[in-house]
Amino acid sequence: VIWMTQSPSLLSASTGDRVIISCRMSQGISSYLAWYQQKPGKAPELLIYAASTLQSGVPSRFSGSGSGTDFTLTISCLQSEDFATYYCQQYYSFPYTFGQGTKLEIK
Amino acid sequence: EVQLVESGGGLVQPGGSLRLSCAASGFTFSSYWMHWVRQAPGKGLVWVSRINSDGSSTSYADSVKGRFTISRDNAKNTLYLQMNSLRAEDTAVYYCARGNIAVAGWAGYWGQGTLVTVSS
Repeated sequence: VIWMTQSPSLLSASTGDRVIISCRMSQGISSYLAWYQQKPGKAPELLIYAASTLQSGVPSRFSGSGSGTDFTLTISCLQSEDFATYYCQQYYSFPYTFGQGTKLEIK
Repeated sequence: EVQLVESGGGLVQPGGSLRLSCAASGFTFSSYWMHWVRQAPGKGLVWVSRINSDGSSTSYADSVKGRFTISRDNAKNTLYLQMNSLRAEDTAVYYCARGNIAVAGWAGYWGQGTLVTVSS
């Protein structure tokens, strides 16, 4: 099983800020990583796959980087609609696994 | 438009069984891997299972292996999750999901979820 450490678990920020969320793997996964956003009571939405490929329709202020064991999700210039919980997911090997989540709240 | 609609959730006693369904439309269901992902109340996402396009290959999380069975009926455009020997810790919203491409480990499309509650 590939273990994932996502940090921070809670992030306080203001509209207009730039934030970075990290995801570290227990072993290398090449670029087999996705990022999701989830709002309360809703299904998750895909933001990024293959570590850095932006899903169609996702604003360009979201970006992903990394390969191997260390990955980041960057949101530049936070908008009010970005306050949500974010998850990373590895799909390099079964069983697939998600990070523990990062709740992004308004400071 | 891709649509995934889960059903079959409800209240079940510990040790009981339940079968979830996911009705798919708006795409060629028989071409895509499909996944089940769950989320316990107030907790994070947990990948549960995957099935390949023709149903010949399946994968499971360790926590459900031997108790849950994923299957599909491509003629009915429907995905299933048979859940046996249910435990309190299986209480969660269960989502079915599909990737952007036929063989995708990530999920670009999700259903609205169906709640399973395991309690006496």
